[in-house]
Amino acid sequence: SQTIHQWPATLVQPVGSPLSLECTVEGTSNPNLYWYRQAAGRGLQLLFYSVGIGQISSEVPQNLSASRPQDRQFILSSKKLLLSDSGFYLCAWRAQGRIAFFGQGTRLTVV
Amino acid sequence: AQKVTQAQTEISVVEKEDVTLDCVYETRDTTYYLFWYKQPPSGELVFLIRRNSFDEQNEISGRYSWNFQKSTSSFNFTITASQVVDSAVYFCALSENFGNEKLTFGTGTRLTIIP
Repeated sequence: SQTIHQWPATLVQPVGSPLSLECTVEGTSNPNLYWYRQAAGRGLQLLFYSVGIGQISSEVPQNLSASRPQDRQFILSSKKLLLSDSGFYLCAWRAQGRIAFFGQGTRLTVV
Repeated sequence: AQKVTQAQTEISVVEKEDVTLDCVYETRDTTYYLFWYKQPPSGELVFLIRRNSFDEQNEISGRYSWNFQKSTSSFNFTITASQVVDSAVYFCALSENFGNEKLTFGTGTRLTIIP
């Protein structure tokens, strides 16, 4: 069966520090991968999605970036965090046209 | 461009009442998928239902039912005899098919069931 792992669960980082959030999927190959952000009390904002290794589509211009170095690995990064980067980050995977399954999420607080 | 609108930001009902969550979508594709997800306080998104654009048959699953109407571009979700455990944020989502794998969510409806 397929599983998705996302870590860390919580993170407190100072403004200006770098960020690296990792998401891996097991039990499937060539999944579509997604990063979403949910600000407090807000909806889900699509940040990046990837349909294959090295293929990244960016939805929102910002100081975040994503990479997909391996088929089932999706990384969200930032060189310098801003206060506005605080939020709940969710990784998801799906096969084409099918149900998206989400990780447990990472709650990021930038202080 | 694909878009999902959930106009109801927050809804509160008394336990055992029925409640309907609205979802209106926009897409230029003739083939697409619609989804509903539940987000309990723990934060994880839980899949509830998927419907493809060729299947307008309404679906019932226990106390949950979904009404898909292509004529009005709506995919509404009804909870019958609501329970406190139904309290959560509910998201509607849209995915166009073939060549566009973007999955777009609405802004969500926070449902509170009052005991």
